[in-house]
Amino acid sequence: DGGITQSPKYLFRKEGQNVTLSCEQNLNHDAMYWYRQDPGQGLRLIYYSQIVNDFQKGDIAEGYSVSREKKESFPLTVTSAQKNPTAFYLCASSIGDRLYGYTFGSGTRLTVV
Amino acid sequence: SQQGEEDPQALSIQEGENATMNCSYKTSINNLQWYRQNSGRGLVHLILIRSNEREKHSGRLRVTLDTSKKSSSLLITASRAADTASYFCATVTTGANSKLTFGKGITLSVRP
Repeated sequence: DGGITQSPKYLFRKEGQNVTLSCEQNLNHDAMYWYRQDPGQGLRLIYYSQIVNDFQKGDIAEGYSVSREKKESFPLTVTSAQKNPTAFYLCASSIGDRLYGYTFGSGTRLTVV
Repeated sequence: SQQGEEDPQALSIQEGENATMNCSYKTSINNLQWYRQNSGRGLVHLILIRSNEREKHSGRLRVTLDTSKKSSSLLITASRAADTASYFCATVTTGANSKLTFGKGITLSVRP
């Protein structure tokens, strides 16, 4: 079945460490997105990519980095520069035309310990 | 920045009743979408309504859009306990590089 796989489901990070969240899709979607979800704040866009080897900053890109070397993969790195990384991270993909809905992964919950 | 705002923030109803959730937005849109999220899970796309449409149906879901009032409503008829979830409206504004922007969500509880 086609879908988006995020891993790991839970991730713990020590202060000062970089961690990478995985996002893989087999939907043949061109566009991929990373959102951060905090309680009571809805979803906020971190980065997005509309085509391989190209990506753009979203509303809250500081302290994060991404790569898009393959169509299927869009990993997110949470760097030590992100001061408040504890959150629920959601990856999504779409056909690429903004007239279509997004397909979401099941999320990664990151906690700083 | 939050484009869409849902109302109410929380809704509790009895199984079998209808649930109505509202969303208001600020700037012109290309389309508006509703998503559902079960606790601790990803979002699931429910329905998309374009700016030139006024009403759409999908199973027990009915969505309306009033662009003059910049508002939308999501109606779930004959609710079930399994409908308990958070519901988000999201908008795509007009403009070449607009992306999907989400509201803060509505928590719906359906009591069995």
